[in-house]
Amino acid sequence: GAVVSQHPSWVICKSGTSVKIECRSLDFQATTMFWYRQFPKQSLMLMATSNEGSKATYEQGVEKDKFLINHASLTLSTLTVTSAHPEDSSFYICSARTGQSVPENNSPLHFGNGTRLTVT
Amino acid sequence: QKEVEQNSGPLSVPEGAIASLNCTYSDRVSQSFFWYRQYSGKSPELIMSIYSNGDKEDGRFTAQLNKASQYVSLLIRDSQPSDSATYLCAVSEDGGFKTIFGAGTRLFVKA
Repeated sequence: GAVVSQHPSWVICKSGTSVKIECRSLDFQATTMFWYRQFPKQSLMLMATSNEGSKATYEQGVEKDKFLINHASLTLSTLTVTSAHPEDSSFYICSARTGQSVPENNSPLHFGNGTRLTVT
Repeated sequence: QKEVEQNSGPLSVPEGAIASLNCTYSDRVSQSFFWYRQYSGKSPELIMSIYSNGDKEDGRFTAQLNKASQYVSLLIRDSQPSDSATYLCAVSEDGGFKTIFGAGTRLFVKA
């Protein structure tokens, strides 16, 4: 159980274009999903919290107009990197909790396989 | 600023030895603690979670938590070359949605 599927696993795009990354919870419903970014040899940095049916919550320093998040259903969240630049090249990883612990916030995060974005 | 601190390593141990990974955290109200393993180019995978003081064992892995000292550790017994990876310590506060990750410790197990 607790499978999180992320697509695509890698993408190369030209500077100025937009890229959409999908994150799905396959065997559970996720009212909240989390988007992380990881640069080489660095740790995971939380970008935003995706909330089903409402606006995402962005971390300080993350541009909400550049990183558009949509969480339209209980099993799908998308991250769109708009007007991508080479400095956006990174490893983007989504995650979710299964909500099987009480309280839910004590349950661990389960990660998708990540998307490696390269902007040329 | 809530922080999770780990020695970046690399930590090198011979095959069959015990690897000891340490982590400290700054937020006293933290309630949930996790260890993840991340292979190069891959996403993290959960190894263990621990919520109360003391030891928790799962196979070759033992997590230890000391909330008074704000310290959590992971012991890997009978280390194998396949254990070579980066180990991430993660902390969540009670009632909070956010999970904060340490920078990770790189472990090398020499055959």
